[in-house]
Amino acid sequence: AQRVTQPEKLLSVFKGAPVELKCNYSYSGSPELFWYVQYSRQRLQLLLRHISRESIKGFTADLNKGETSFHLKKPFAQEEDSAMYYCALENNNNDMRFGAGTRLTVKP
Amino acid sequence: ETGVTQSPTHLIKTRGQQVTLRCSSQSGHNTVSWYQQALGQGPQFIFQYYREEENGRGNFPPRFSGLQFPNYSSELNVNALELDDSALYLCASGDRPYGYTFGSGTRLTVV
Repeated sequence: AQRVTQPEKLLSVFKGAPVELKCNYSYSGSPELFWYVQYSRQRLQLLLRHISRESIKGFTADLNKGETSFHLKKPFAQEEDSAMYYCALENNNNDMRFGAGTRLTVKP
Repeated sequence: ETGVTQSPTHLIKTRGQQVTLRCSSQSGHNTVSWYQQALGQGPQFIFQYYREEENGRGNFPPRFSGLQFPNYSSELNVNALELDDSALYLCASGDRPYGYTFGSGTRLTVV
């Protein structure tokens, strides 16, 4: 069964501290993985996708097939990073599954 | 401006009624997906349309149906509304595997 798990509902760090938002998945095929972010009073928006191997707003995420994880990391958190973060997996049938989300709060 | 607009923004319906939600996708995006997001949860995939054909469906009953039109607009129809259908409904357009652009959603309340 296809599943995305974000084990932390809430995560709080201080400004300048490293942050890691965890995402684990279960899927028997080759997954397409994404991180979406929702800032306060804004719509859900794509942050990054694993196929691009890109860094957006200082965030990176590495697909670890052995551990079936796609954790989101940033070395130095900023207050403007405070938001709701969703990990998502799209399967071969165009079914996109989202995790329950992690609310990140970056304290000054 | 993301280019995906949804209407209406809020809606209140009575149990048993039918509802139609509308979405205008970003021009050039052949794929549109619909999601249901209950309070405190991540979006749940309802179905996806590609060039006016359904090409993917989540675990939702047949009373959830959709249409996609050639002008990049689409509809989500829900028949026989139940109280548990109260949620935020999101529309997203894009092309696999690049990710999707989301609308702001329609908040449906069933009473």
